[in-house]
Amino acid sequence: GQQVMQIPQYQHVQEGEDFTTYCNSSTTLSNIQWYKQRPGGHPVFLIQLVKSGEVKKQKRLTFQFGEAKKNSSLHITATQTTDVGTYFCAGLGGRRALTFGSGTRLQVQP
Amino acid sequence: SQTIHQWPATLVQPVGSPLSLECTVEGTSNPNLYWYRQAAGRGLQLLFYSVGIGQISSEVPQNLSASRPQDRQFILSSKKLLLSDSGFYLCAWSVLPTGELFFGEGSRLTVL
Repeated sequence: GQQVMQIPQYQHVQEGEDFTTYCNSSTTLSNIQWYKQRPGGHPVFLIQLVKSGEVKKQKRLTFQFGEAKKNSSLHITATQTTDVGTYFCAGLGGRRALTFGSGTRLQVQP
Repeated sequence: SQTIHQWPATLVQPVGSPLSLECTVEGTSNPNLYWYRQAAGRGLQLLFYSVGIGQISSEVPQNLSASRPQDRQFILSSKKLLLSDSGFYLCAWSVLPTGELFFGEGSRLTVL
């Protein structure tokens, strides 16, 4: 079945440093979505990418969708303590429901 | 505006006891509904999804079941809980299967 892998599992950065999480799917995706889950909370939608090679920016966050539509990345520039949480990618392949990656937990040291 | 309600928020159940988690969505019609489970420090595992009343797709063989008795109501059940059923259960809805998911606050289940 479809699998979505994310690396790293965990990253601890100093405030102001950059952060990147990578997502890889075993199958081609029709779209990819990114979610953020604060500690103790529920996942909240950040963005959706649909086109091959697509790049979208939200303030300090940059999202990319690979040319082959099998991988994606989220890059945060100059992290802040408010960026703390777990970031999930989720892809839609052949099924009618999203498959989530394992997530990357980000800790930001002030 | 649309809202999603999920309850109970927290429960502690003994092994072998039954389970019922409920989820309702307001402000939309014919939503796609989902149950995900998140083990401690892990990702989200899709358990069930539904595209309409009485239509349930199961993703993972287990001792859980789901039902959709009304358009905006989704119920997760078990007749006999196992220790491995512990986790954070999240209900979600979407307008389209390809669209963003809106999650409920979650139900944290501990099976002892």
